[in-house]
Amino acid sequence: AQKITQTQPGMFVQEKEAVTLDCTYDTSDPSYGLFWYKQPSSGEMIFLIYQGSYDQQNATEGRYSLNFQKARKSANLVISASQLGDSAMYFCAMREGIGDYKLSFGAGTTVTVRA
Amino acid sequence: DSGVTQTPKHLITATGQRVTLRCSPRSGDLSVYWYQQSLDQGLQFLIQYYNGEERAKGNILERFSAQQFPDLHSELNLSSLELGDSALYFCASSVGEGGLNTGELFFGEGSRLTVL
Repeated sequence: AQKITQTQPGMFVQEKEAVTLDCTYDTSDPSYGLFWYKQPSSGEMIFLIYQGSYDQQNATEGRYSLNFQKARKSANLVISASQLGDSAMYFCAMREGIGDYKLSFGAGTTVTVRA
Repeated sequence: DSGVTQTPKHLITATGQRVTLRCSPRSGDLSVYWYQQSLDQGLQFLIQYYNGEERAKGNILERFSAQQFPDLHSELNLSSLELGDSALYFCASSVGEGGLNTGELFFGEGSRLTVL
């Protein structure tokens, strides 16, 4: 079974607008971490934001925020005030347990920002 | 710059050949991970090493092998190459166990392998 599901293969967003990327996860482990990475066309993987399963507040990093709904097992990424440089592939990933840092990745969502 | 160095950046070879991909983790990181990214399979975890020992194994083919050396650099060996092995191979590192580490992985820029 897929541990991470990203249902949006591609999205278009207007510059300066906000965009929400969906991510749902599946785990029975009470301790886990959720991550978002950005992969621009150049290919490198850039860490954006992290949310721990026990964190009470939603994570925020600059223009990135994570809408964590534990009961629904969702961890959506919100990018506010989109910029042309935000055009990239975005991956949601999960670490299960403590001491095992392997990340399982979703299929990714391609975001294209329009001027 | 993540601090993780991968070589070579690009590699073109023929079916049946063998290649070695090299990774130097961030200074101080004990764990090294290898991932394969292909168009049809997405990002697939291959193998993890922690301080020289194999820690976890994913979808790694028997034709592939890896090791982590005492200086913590790692090599991924791919043999009897097939067309389907063409992919972007990422190395990532993390601090490893303990402390308040979130488990964030720092990725290298990848080695793009093309098998002709």
